[in-house]
Amino acid sequence: TQLLEQSPQFLSIQEGENLTVYCNSSSVFSSLQWYRQEPGEGPVLLVTVVTGGEVKKLKRLTFQFGDARKDSSLHITAAQPGDTGLYLCAGGESQFYFGTGTSLTVIP
Amino acid sequence: DAGVIQSPRHEVTEMGQEVTLRCKPISGHDYLFWYRQTMMRGLELLIYFNNNVPIDDSGMPEDRFSAKMPNASFSTLKIQPSEPRDSAVYFCASSLAGLYEQYFGPGTRLTVT
Repeated sequence: TQLLEQSPQFLSIQEGENLTVYCNSSSVFSSLQWYRQEPGEGPVLLVTVVTGGEVKKLKRLTFQFGDARKDSSLHITAAQPGDTGLYLCAGGESQFYFGTGTSLTVIP
Repeated sequence: DAGVIQSPRHEVTEMGQEVTLRCKPISGHDYLFWYRQTMMRGLELLIYFNNNVPIDDSGMPEDRFSAKMPNASFSTLKIQPSEPRDSAVYFCASSLAGLYEQYFGPGTRLTVT
């Protein structure tokens, strides 16, 4: 059983489209992080959300932390081919967990 | 500044052989993490160190796996004896902020035949 479930697992869209990916858990997290991983490389941290209901923006990426701190979402506006990669949410206290991941492909 | 350095980048070995993966964290970072990534299980935390001391090794799959951090600039993950099911990409990461804001290395792709 995965502590952090992400959906969808795979997503293929055309350049310019908008998309949202989700990270859900039955557990409460004090904070959640989002990473992006490109093929052949390690994950790179995008953002950390720490307050329930918090919204953070990073250029065309908008991250939201659920009010109950059990879920988070990542919205990408006007997706570009450079957004292609594996998006991972992560969190934990004494133990640290990565989500199941969403593999995004943006087609030019 | 150099990022996290891992070596080798690729390792192919036969079942039963000993494998040693190496990691140099970012200078000044006092947390070091070892992860394993597979298609089936995703990215799993194996063990992490704080100030060279192992803090949580509950993710280490079995006694065949061991990790050491003899000083602040070097860590090893050893598998002895290796098995085909150990085939995966192994990542090392370091951090100044505990479990948060981890910086990952490029990974070592291990294939055990």
